[in-house]
Amino acid sequence: GAGVSQSPRYKVAKRGQDVALRCDPISGHVSLFWYQQALGQGPEFLTYFQNEAQLDKSGLPSDRFFAERPEGSVSTLKIQRTQQEDSAVYLCASSPGGGQPQHFGDGTRLSIL
Amino acid sequence: QKEVEQNSGPLSVPEGAIASLNCTYSDRGSQSFFWYRQYSGKSPELIMSIYSNGDKEDGRFTAQLNKASQYVSLLIRDSQPSDSATYLCAPDIGGAQKLVFGQGTRLTINP
Repeated sequence: GAGVSQSPRYKVAKRGQDVALRCDPISGHVSLFWYQQALGQGPEFLTYFQNEAQLDKSGLPSDRFFAERPEGSVSTLKIQRTQQEDSAVYLCASSPGGGQPQHFGDGTRLSIL
Repeated sequence: QKEVEQNSGPLSVPEGAIASLNCTYSDRGSQSFFWYRQYSGKSPELIMSIYSNGDKEDGRFTAQLNKASQYVSLLIRDSQPSDSATYLCAPDIGGAQKLVFGQGTRLTINP
């Protein structure tokens, strides 16, 4: 596709449920990033893939957060046993690599009740 | 000290004037610098990238980088109401690809 595609756009879950967020990067982009953005703040780095390899997961807040990109294209961010503080917008970005700019998807707004 | 600090907003500028957005960063290893624009409820949109010291111009936008001072800025000439948004400064971390974002500066252009 022409841009980064994320689904769902909105997700409401009850505390304790598991959720899965999907990201389809720009075709040919080897690098894929996940960020979390709280209201009124800049995005915060969660994790980064180069092709299928997860090179950095230092930003994941806890072991409840898990990301994968098994075939080097589509990525899924999974949050287990959700808590209210997980409520945020989750942004996915992709880039060709090599310090080139990242391009963001529309994000998934997650609300935990 | 925060990793990335932007001038506190909100910033209000009359239409047609120059808007000046400033950013300082703490990581001397940063190599790539980006400015993103974010409209309310939307995702960040790339405005400018800059990699070497000096000025880089693209239409009404000029990015300035001074690595010695750990400072990067964005100038918007002939400001338009459509420029009203939050502007995010994002250097990379230690030359790696992941970005660290400032808290953003909310800019309002008054007609």
